[in-house]
Amino acid sequence: AQSVSQHNHHVILSEAASLELGCNYSYGGTVNLFWYVQYPGQHLQLLLKYFSGDPLVKGIKGFEAEFIKSKFSFNLRKPSVQWSDTAEYFCAVNDDDYKLSFGAGTTVTVRA
Amino acid sequence: KAGVTQTPRYLIKTRGQQVTLSCSPISGHRSVSWYQQTPGQGLQFLFEYFSETQRNKGNFPGRFSGRQFSNSRSEMNVSTLELGDSALYLCASSSSGATEAFFGQGTRLTVV
Repeated sequence: AQSVSQHNHHVILSEAASLELGCNYSYGGTVNLFWYVQYPGQHLQLLLKYFSGDPLVKGIKGFEAEFIKSKFSFNLRKPSVQWSDTAEYFCAVNDDDYKLSFGAGTTVTVRA
Repeated sequence: KAGVTQTPRYLIKTRGQQVTLSCSPISGHRSVSWYQQTPGQGLQFLFEYFSETQRNKGNFPGRFSGRQFSNSRSEMNVSTLELGDSALYLCASSSSGATEAFFGQGTRLTVV
């Protein structure tokens, strides 16, 4: 069974700082990769996805992620965070069994 | 385009009772999956349906069941409720089950 690891449980940043959240998965076959975000009181929203092609993918709100197949990693980045990026971020993997396996989530707190 | 709609939003039930949660997917989506979200266990996959057929099931006891109707709407049922079933239950829809999933707001179930 697929397992997904997110490296940080809680990250605290100041506005304009850069953000990088790590994500590793266990299964080495063909996978679809996702980052979801859950803002306080809101539903899970898709930030970005990787299915194939360019391993550097861009998502909404200035987020991007890089897929490194050799490292089974899909790290999320944002060059300059804003207070409104305060949320919980989830990495998820789909490996053709019609389900998403989620990481434990990383709570990001951005201080104004 | 309307999003994924889950009803009810909140439920309070007593131990031993049963509960039915409903999910209406995005129009045209035929895959519906269910997840349980708790602070301790994170997001865990319950089951996935496509065209009224269950294609995958997570590691939950038989008290958790689901079904999908011909219009793609789905219900999940939990019988003989336990305190540990208190959670946010999320429904997600996608076109095929292997593409990106769109989540509803969830149903917050509290078992007392």
